[in-house]
Amino acid sequence: DAGVTQSPTHLIKTRGQQVTLRCSPISGHKSVSWYQQVLGQGPQFIFQYYEKEERGRGNFPDRFSARQFPNYSSELNVNALLLGDSALYLCASSLYSGGVEQYFGPGTRLTVT
Amino acid sequence: QKEVEQNSGPLSVPEGAIASLNCTYSDRGSQSFFWYRQYSGKSPELIMSIYSNGDKEDGRFTAQLNKASQYVSLLIRDSQPSDSATYLCAVSDSNYQLIWGAGTKLIIKP
Repeated sequence: DAGVTQSPTHLIKTRGQQVTLRCSPISGHKSVSWYQQVLGQGPQFIFQYYEKEERGRGNFPDRFSARQFPNYSSELNVNALLLGDSALYLCASSLYSGGVEQYFGPGTRLTVT
Repeated sequence: QKEVEQNSGPLSVPEGAIASLNCTYSDRGSQSFFWYRQYSGKSPELIMSIYSNGDKEDGRFTAQLNKASQYVSLLIRDSQPSDSATYLCAVSDSNYQLIWGAGTKLIIKP
């Protein structure tokens, strides 16, 4: 079975630009969570979606938005990029929302210059 | 503020020995606890999940949970050089969102 897929793997953007990151969950999984990880830290929770509805939002500014599609894939959008948005963006897939096992994709490395 | 604390390390362990990794959490409402392994430049990989007090074993790995002490640990027996990685502890809070520690870097010395 295919695992969680994310695209693109690497991305370089300029301050002020907008970016869209994509994620496809494991087949049969209905929940997707997005995390930001900077070097030396654990992942920071951004969003969780389940059955196309937002189930949780972390402490991130409104420049960050996300959505989930009927096929359970998801997009994370970040507007007005700042240098501090440079990080590894991780998508995690789970059967349900809530405190259940999550499986991560390979991540998207975003560099803002 | 809900927190998950881990010793950042590095923790150096001889090959073949037992590696012991520890994690404490602040939210008494936490119900689910996870250990992930992350190699440098890669994404986290789920190793163990534990939901009730006591020990849970899977191969060379044992997770231990003590909710009264708000403490969860991971033991790795017969440590191998391939176990060298950063180990992340994740705890679900009372809203069922995962709160993550910063990770412990483990080095297995041949």
